[in-house]
Amino acid sequence: AQTVTQSQPEMSVQEAETVTLSCTYDTSENNYYLFWYKQPPSRQMILVIRQEAYKQQNATENRFSVNFQKAAKSFSLKISDSQLGDTAMYFCASGTDKLIFGTGTRLQVFP
Amino acid sequence: SQTIHQWPATLVQPVGSPLSLECTVEGTSNPNLYWYRQAAGRGLQLLFYSVGIGQISSEVPQNLSASRPQDRQFILSSKKLLLSDSGFYLCAWSVLVWDNEQFFGPGTRLTVL
Repeated sequence: AQTVTQSQPEMSVQEAETVTLSCTYDTSENNYYLFWYKQPPSRQMILVIRQEAYKQQNATENRFSVNFQKAAKSFSLKISDSQLGDTAMYFCASGTDKLIFGTGTRLQVFP
Repeated sequence: SQTIHQWPATLVQPVGSPLSLECTVEGTSNPNLYWYRQAAGRGLQLLFYSVGIGQISSEVPQNLSASRPQDRQFILSSKKLLLSDSGFYLCAWSVLVWDNEQFFGPGTRLTVL
């Protein structure tokens, strides 16, 4: 069965600093996608960044980037220049026609 | 542009009562549709997904059921709610089976008393 593990229940970072959220996954699929979603206090799920497993180049979206290590099945999210609005739950997800989500990491950005 | 609606936003129901949560998508055709449950402080658990009208796949055995009477309508139901059914229910859609970026609705907070 597919699994997604986020080993950091909570993280904190000071505004303008950089933080990295960890995610590991296990899948028997050869081709799959990986996602990071953000869930702010409003509870609306928002896509942060996506990575195609067949692409070696790490995805980047403005201040958000990933470190994708396919052999290690690792998919970490780096947030640069953290902002107060980044405070949220962050979920890692993996899959093809269905997505398996991790249990989430609660990120708090302090002024 | 595409939008996804869920209602009601909040629901409080007694144990043993029926349930009907509705999700509709606008601005796209033949979407894949998903129901997730998020327990307090937990991740998302996939309950059901559908690739077309009348086609429902169940991921977790439980007293919930799902139906897709129309292309862009997805309904989550129960005949008798349990206390353990409390949680935050999210509906999501995606366009392509392979490129499975999912877009989520605003959610329904269900409390079973």
